[in-house]
Amino acid sequence: AQRVTQPEKLLSVFKGAPVELKCNYSYSGSPELFWYVQYSRQRLQLLLRHISRESIKGFTADLNKGETSFHLKKPFAQEEDSAMYYCALGGSNYKLTFGKGTLLTVNP
Amino acid sequence: GAGVSQSPSNKVTEKGKDVELRCDPISGHTALYWYRQSLGQGLEFLIYFQGNSAPDKSGLPSDRFSAERTGGSVSTLTIQRTQQEDSAVYLCASSYEIMNTEAFFGQGTRLTVV
Repeated sequence: AQRVTQPEKLLSVFKGAPVELKCNYSYSGSPELFWYVQYSRQRLQLLLRHISRESIKGFTADLNKGETSFHLKKPFAQEEDSAMYYCALGGSNYKLTFGKGTLLTVNP
Repeated sequence: GAGVSQSPSNKVTEKGKDVELRCDPISGHTALYWYRQSLGQGLEFLIYFQGNSAPDKSGLPSDRFSAERTGGSVSTLTIQRTQQEDSAVYLCASSYEIMNTEAFFGQGTRLTVV
C-alpha cells in the first residue's frame, strides 16, 4: 500500500528564516516523489519532483530512501511562499497518493 | 484545451438530489484522477482512470458515488442522493500515460449540499 505522511498541518515561520516541510512515505517499490503547491485561489500545481533534482523558487527536496523521507527545504522563506504544500507519491500503478498537506505561513 | 477544465465551478444542491461533475482532461492524457478536498482533510483520493478503465476505485466513499470515462477523454463523477457531508471541492487531474509524469489539476468544482 502507498502512504504519504505530512506530520505538520500548519507551519509558521518569519520571512528570511529557513523552512522545512516534512514528508515521509511508505511504499514497497521504487517511488517517485513530488511536491505540489496550492497558492491562495489558484490551482494545485507541481512544484518539483525528485527525479529532476532541481531547485524551484529556491526550494529543494532530497529523497532519502533509508529514512523514506522527501522533506522540502528552503534556506530563506519569503512571504510569497505562503501556501498549502502537498507531498505526493507515484507508484508503479500510476496512482498518485497525496499527503494531507501542510499550510505554510510566512510572516513579515 | 489549454488545461484541465471542470464544470460547473460551483454547484449548490439540495440534500437528496443527484449531481454530475464533469472533467475535460488535457488532450492526449490517458491517466485521469478524481480527488476530494475538504477543510482540514487535505486531498482525498476517489478514483483513477487509465484510458476508460478504472483500476482503482478504492477511494469512492460509498455506493452513492460513481464515475465513468468515455472515449479516453471526458469523465463524469456522479453523486446520488447527496448528503451534507458530500460538500467539498472536487478536483480532477490528468497526466500522460508515461509513468509518474506531472499531474495537471483543474480548478475544481465546489459542491455545497444544503
